[in-house]
Amino acid sequence: DQQVKQNSPSLSVQEGRISILNCDYTNSMFDYFLWYKKYPAEGPTFLISISSIKDKNEDGRFTVFLNKSAKHLSLHIVPSQPGDSAVYFCAASKVGTASKLTFGTGTRLQVTL
Amino acid sequence: KAGVTQTPRYLIKTRGQQVTLSCSPISGHRSVSWYQQTPGQGLQFLFEYFSETQRNKGNFPGRFSGRQFSNSRSEMNVSTLELGDSALYLCASSLEGWTEEFGPGTRLTVT
Repeated sequence: DQQVKQNSPSLSVQEGRISILNCDYTNSMFDYFLWYKKYPAEGPTFLISISSIKDKNEDGRFTVFLNKSAKHLSLHIVPSQPGDSAVYFCAASKVGTASKLTFGTGTRLQVTL
Repeated sequence: KAGVTQTPRYLIKTRGQQVTLSCSPISGHRSVSWYQQTPGQGLQFLFEYFSETQRNKGNFPGRFSGRQFSNSRSEMNVSTLELGDSALYLCASSLEGWTEEFGPGTRLTVT
């Protein structure tokens, strides 16, 4: 039972354009959502997070949007840069178990010149 | 600051053997979580230790166990290894709440 889903295994975007990565979840008990970036042979790196009491959070080029009614979140990267090429994971946690993350399967982003 | 360190980085074991992996969290962090990453299942939570006590547990068989020492360093052990245990094992560290930083992982290959 995949409670966090990233339905696009890969995405290709031109440098300078917007990258939009999507994530859906099924468990309404999730109240905190995170995005991680992962390069090969490295551990995931935290990018940005959002609490369920918000619908948007920005950090530089990265913005995460949360639509609770649709159980959907998205990560926007503007402008996209070649160094953004990596696998992106969304993750979710429930109240009281903040460190127990449920991850999606990841989306491989390739930013082309 | 020094990040999360994991040793060894690579390991090859034979079916039926047991293995111990080590993780040193960021200085001052008291929570250590372990995850297994496989191509088929993605990243899955194994367990979390906080102040030497297991605080959360995932859905893995009892062959997977862990412990945490008073200096917050953690070890995970897998007994009676199976081929399906081949994976990247990731350790993550946090002060108290949500996972802040992952280590580089230990790549375990079971033959």
